[in-house]
Amino acid sequence: DIVMTQTPLSSPVTLGQPASISCRSSQSLVHSDGNTYLSWLQQRPGQPPKLLIYKISNRFSGVPDRFSGSGAGTDFTLKISRVEAEDVGVYYCMQATQFPLTFGGGTKVEIK
Amino acid sequence: QVQLVQSGAEVKKPGASVKVSCKASGYTFIKYDMHWVRQAPGQRLEWMGWINGDNGSTKYSQNFRGRVTITRDISASTAYMELSSLRSEDTAVYYCAREWELKNWGQGTLVTVSS
Repeated sequence: DIVMTQTPLSSPVTLGQPASISCRSSQSLVHSDGNTYLSWLQQRPGQPPKLLIYKISNRFSGVPDRFSGSGAGTDFTLKISRVEAEDVGVYYCMQATQFPLTFGGGTKVEIK
Repeated sequence: QVQLVQSGAEVKKPGASVKVSCKASGYTFIKYDMHWVRQAPGQRLEWMGWINGDNGSTKYSQNFRGRVTITRDISASTAYMELSSLRSEDTAVYYCAREWELKNWGQGTLVTVSS
């Protein structure tokens, strides 16, 4: 199975400041079809996860443009350009390149 | 708009089975895959399995060693996940999620396994 490792575990951020989360996979996420199926999910307290970013850098419908994804191969990053109060929650990276789909351990974003 | 509405919370005894439903609306059911993911207290999200929207084929995580079965009723636009031989470690919130990249999620179903 592909192991997904996220850092940091927790990210206290001042409102209006940027935040960055890293995700590393134990093997390349490039699929034989040429796509890289790396996604980022947000889970607010008490809610189901919600897709933010798919295929490294594509924002899902309705996701604010302060969220951006980048990376390639085995190293990926989610950036929030200016953290807002509604961004509090846990963020997960996920790979869908290979069965079984696997998730990172999560990064908790909280306001300082 | 796409909606996935799951069945209500369940309490089961060890050794029993549970079947969770996920009713889809707002799109053509057979055009999209459906995944099942669970989240145990304090644990990371765990993928359980998937049913192909086009042909109904399935694939499961080896972590469940044959205990999980995913089915669907096309006429009811509903997917099901059944987990058997329940143990206390199966206490979790179970989610259905649509499309290969889990673009839409159900609200979750809490399954509690307790004697």
